[in-house]
Amino acid sequence: AQSVTQLDSHVSVSEGTPVLLRCNYSSSYSPSLFWYVQHPNKGLQLLLKYTSAATLVKGINGFEAEFKKSETSFHLTKPSAHMSDAAEYFCVVNNILTGGGNKLTFGTGTQLKVEL
Amino acid sequence: DTGVSQNPRHKITKRGQNVTFRCDPISEHNRLYWYRQTLGQGPEFLTYFQNEAQLEKSRLLSDRFSAERPKGSFSTLEIQRTEQGDSAMYLCASSEGGAGEQYFGPGTRLTVT
Repeated sequence: AQSVTQLDSHVSVSEGTPVLLRCNYSSSYSPSLFWYVQHPNKGLQLLLKYTSAATLVKGINGFEAEFKKSETSFHLTKPSAHMSDAAEYFCVVNNILTGGGNKLTFGTGTQLKVEL
Repeated sequence: DTGVSQNPRHKITKRGQNVTFRCDPISEHNRLYWYRQTLGQGPEFLTYFQNEAQLEKSRLLSDRFSAERPKGSFSTLEIQRTEQGDSAMYLCASSEGGAGEQYFGPGTRLTVT
């Protein structure tokens, strides 16, 4: 089965500085990868997805991620952090199920803190 | 499109009681998923429906858990004889076929005392 590892459980940045949230994946074939964000008391929201098209994927709210096969990485970045970006971020890989469904396997999450 | 909805949002129950949660997916989505998220962890897959057929169940889903999607629309997840270890956020997601983009509901937070 495919899996992901999020390398940092907590990341703290100052508002206006770049954000880097790291994720490595393990897969025997070309994976579908996602980043989801979870704000307190809100549902999970899809930020962006990679499905073997362009390796640089742009998402919502200025986030982007780059798929690097040679490094088995899918790191999430944003040039300038905003206070509203403070949340839990999950790197996710898709495992195909019997009957064609998709089991999402989540990393353990990275809590992003944005300071003034 | 009102998104995925779940009810109740919060449930507190005593150990040994039965509880049932409901999920209403996005109306045109034929696939429905249940996940469980414990504190400090990412969500873990529990089960999957395509229309009314339950096609996959995780080993996490013990005999005390049962899920249904009787008419291929809403789904229910029942936990019988609840245990303190069942305390978690139960998330529902739905999708169309294909690339696996799943849309999540706000979850039902279960606390077993």
